[in-house]
Amino acid sequence: DIQMTQSPSTLSASVGDRVTITCRASQSISSWLAWYQQKPGKAPKLLIYKASSLESGVPSRFSGSGSGTEFTLTISSLQPDDFATYYCQQYNSYPAFGQGTKVEIK
Amino acid sequence: EVQLVESGGGLVQPGRSLRLSCAASGFTFDDYAMHWVRQAPGKGLEWVSGISWNSGSIGYADSVKGRFTISRDNAKNSLYLQMNSLRAEDTALYYCAKVRTWELLPMLFDYWGQGTLVTVSS
Repeated sequence: DIQMTQSPSTLSASVGDRVTITCRASQSISSWLAWYQQKPGKAPKLLIYKASSLESGVPSRFSGSGSGTEFTLTISSLQPDDFATYYCQQYNSYPAFGQGTKVEIK
Repeated sequence: EVQLVESGGGLVQPGRSLRLSCAASGFTFDDYAMHWVRQAPGKGLEWVSGISWNSGSIGYADSVKGRFTISRDNAKNSLYLQMNSLRAEDTALYYCAKVRTWELLPMLFDYWGQGTLVTVSS
C-alpha cells in the first residue's frame, strides 16, 4: 500500500504569508496527487488535482507542484479564509490520504 | 448544482448493523462511480469503499472488507453502504463522494456530501 506523509502537521502563519506544505509518497505516484481543504464542520473541498492543476473556482494563490514522490502545496499570500486543514491524496491506486496539515493563525 | 445528501447514521451497539444512504442530484448519476470516505472524530480521511457506474467494479478498504457492502440504485440516484458487525473503531462521519470517471479508478473526489455520523458504542 502507498503511504502518504505530510509535513508539517501544524503550521502557524499570518495573513499575507507565503505558506508551503509538503507531501511525500512511499513510492512513485507520477502526478496522481490531489490537495483538499477542509474547514471545521465542513466536507473537504478539492483544490488541486494531477499535482498542479487548479480546480475550477479555486483562487490562483493556491498552487501545486511535484511529481514522483515529492509534492508541495503553496499558498502565495495567506488570506483569512485559508485557515483550515489541508490533505494530500494519491489516486494512482486505492486512495491514501496524508494525515493533514492544520494552518492556524499565528 | 451537484448535491449529495447522506442519511442513516446514528448510535448503534457493537456487533449490530446500520445502512447508510446517499441521495444524489444535479448530475447524471449513472455516468459516475461513487464512493464512501469516513473521518473519525478529530482524525484524518479514510477511503472506505467505491462502486463503478454499473456496479461492475467494487472495492473496499481492508479495514471494512467482509463487513461492509456498497451498492447503488441508478433508477433512484442513490448510493448505499450496508455496515455489519460494527466496531467502536468504525465510529466516524461518513461522506458520500463523487468522482469524475465511471470506473473505480482513478479516485479523484470532486464533490462531497456533508456526511452522516455513525457512533458505535454500548
